[in-house]
Amino acid sequence: DAGITQSPRHKVTETGTPVTLRCHQTENHRYMYWYRQDPGHGLRLIHYSYGVKDTDKGEVSDGYSVSRSKTEDFLLTLESATSSQTSVYFCAISTGGLGMNTEAFFGQGTRLTVV
Amino acid sequence: SQQGEEDPQALSIQEGENATMNCSYKTSINNLQWYRQNSGRGLVHLILIRSNEREKHSGRLRVTLDTSKKSSSLLITASRAADTASYFCATDSSASKIIFGSGTRLSIRP
Repeated sequence: DAGITQSPRHKVTETGTPVTLRCHQTENHRYMYWYRQDPGHGLRLIHYSYGVKDTDKGEVSDGYSVSRSKTEDFLLTLESATSSQTSVYFCAISTGGLGMNTEAFFGQGTRLTVV
Repeated sequence: SQQGEEDPQALSIQEGENATMNCSYKTSINNLQWYRQNSGRGLVHLILIRSNEREKHSGRLRVTLDTSKKSSSLLITASRAADTASYFCATDSSASKIIFGSGTRLSIRP
């Protein structure tokens, strides 16, 4: 899977607790993305990064923060998890932005349940 | 709202038949991509078509792009059971963002 590892793969957490999901790549790709996938909504972009310490919001960023201190790692944090954040989270990487005609490679996903 | 929207939401066909899925988008694009997702897995890139291209082929896949109508179609010929999956189109809302539609669920009946 193009050298992308998401951890954990499954997590159950309680409402109000902080949660951090990790995406690790071995491809040295510049761009990294976090998506969530919910029935009826497809994939929605949460945050993305275009370089170390360079991040920007996607369409559903409320309640999420990200950090990228190294090229290979992109962390997604739910500061205080809510039931509406129960979802499957996917990390993706690409060499360039889509406007540069590059494809994205996806991780296997993290299934998060907030109870 | 989603930049790309696939149609139909679900499609069931007999093995050997052709499957056609459509994608409509709202703003101008540099390119459009199609991805496949098998159940419980991440997305896998299938094909990319640039805004100055009208048609592209890859094996049993044929993609068309009509920028005047802001639409694209994905044709899978001679479908197989292994083609059962969800298919997504993706567009660039800016140079950095990749935006996906909600997908078409394709089922191939034996």
